[in-house]
Amino acid sequence: GDSVTQMEGPVTLSEEAFLTINCTYTATGYPSLFWYVQYPGEGLQLLLKATKADDKGSNKGFEATYRKETTSFHLEKGSVQVSDSAVYFCALSGGDYKLSFGAGTTVTVRA
Amino acid sequence: DTAVSQTPKYLVTQMGNDKSIKCEQNLGHDTMYWYKQDSKKFLKIMFSYNNKELIINETVPNRFSPKSPDKAHLNLHINSLELGDSAVYFCASSQQTSATRTDTQYFGPGTRLTVL
Repeated sequence: GDSVTQMEGPVTLSEEAFLTINCTYTATGYPSLFWYVQYPGEGLQLLLKATKADDKGSNKGFEATYRKETTSFHLEKGSVQVSDSAVYFCALSGGDYKLSFGAGTTVTVRA
Repeated sequence: DTAVSQTPKYLVTQMGNDKSIKCEQNLGHDTMYWYKQDSKKFLKIMFSYNNKELIINETVPNRFSPKSPDKAHLNLHINSLELGDSAVYFCASSQQTSATRTDTQYFGPGTRLTVL
């Protein structure tokens, strides 16, 4: 079945550092890929998405590119802020009425 | 306006009790979901409903019974609560139908259930 493997955390960074969270997937067909973010004590918010190969999703300075050849959807941000401290989830949808999530990566940004 | 709302936000109860969590969406979506997030933050689908019909039941114990009175609501009733049911439960909705391949899911704020 569909699955997502995500870089384990926790990740601790200083403000203005570069952030990368690796995500690879296994799926049949052509899934849509998502990054969700969960701030402390809150629900999940969609951060960005890509629905086909070579699409780049971007939002709030975060980017991820759908790479079919490497089955990857790595999340990047060039300069993180303290407010980016959260848990980040990579997820895929294969059109079967559910999202398959990675294990989540906790990111802490220190001033 | 809150797109996907859940009540209650926190629920503390004793083992063996029966409890319900309510979910409502005002996005006009056709499909609604329940997910469970365990203590390690891992998220797993429990149920999917499309137009009030059950689409996915992901090997959830019979003690969990979802009910969808209309497309905008999907409630979760849990009988005979156990310690292992303690988790955060998230409701979500999307516009996914049998004709669309995939669609973005929008999540509620979660209900933190603690079973003592």
